Amino acid sequence: KQEVTQIPAALSVPEGENLVLNCSFTDSAIYNLQWFRQDPGKGLTSLLLIQSSQREQTSGRLNASLDKSSGRSTLYIAASQPGDSATYLCAVGEYGNKLVFGAGTILRVKS
Amino acid sequence: GAGVSQTPSNKVTEKGKYVELRCDPISGHTALYWYRQSLGQGPEFLIYFQGTGAADDSGLPNDRFFAVRPEGSVSTLKIQRTERGDSAVYLCASRQTSGGIDTQYFGPGTRLTVL
Repeated sequence: KQEVTQIPAALSVPEGENLVLNCSFTDSAIYNLQWFRQDPGKGLTSLLLIQSSQREQTSGRLNASLDKSSGRSTLYIAASQPGDSATYLCAVGEYGNKLVFGAGTILRVKS
Repeated sequence: GAGVSQTPSNKVTEKGKYVELRCDPISGHTALYWYRQSLGQGPEFLIYFQGTGAADDSGLPNDRFFAVRPEGSVSTLKIQRTERGDSAVYLCASRQTSGGIDTQYFGPGTRLTVL
């Protein structure tokens, strides 16, 4: 059974810092990996999706990497802003397309 | 265009009652998913529809939970004899496949509280 772990559980940084969120998964037979953002009381917003054949994806200040063989992904956020404060969820897409989520990292960017 | 919508946004019920939660997917999306998110946790998969049929219901916790999608669009998640442990946010997502890339779009969820 696939298990997804996110470290750290919570992170507080001053505005402007670069930061890295970590995700690990136990079964490397994945279809894709996705990073989501969740704001309090809201649904999930997809940030980046990496296909199993890809190594990384970039969107603006966000960069996500994928190392299938070691079962790891990282989300890099450059020049963090208070508006980046949210919960970040890593999800592994399995064949059949259901997603297996980690518990998330709660990020707070202080102004 | 319109995103995934879910109704109601909040539902409070008493232990033992029956509830229905509704999901309206993005028009044209053939795949639909239900997830359940407990406080402080990530969403957990419940069931996946491809068209009208349940392609994978392995995440349903027990036979009190049932979901339908009779016309291949709107879906209803039904919970019988609710228990306090059923309290959670129930999320629905629909999936688009474009250029071989599958993206799930999530609704805002229904917060279910069982007293």
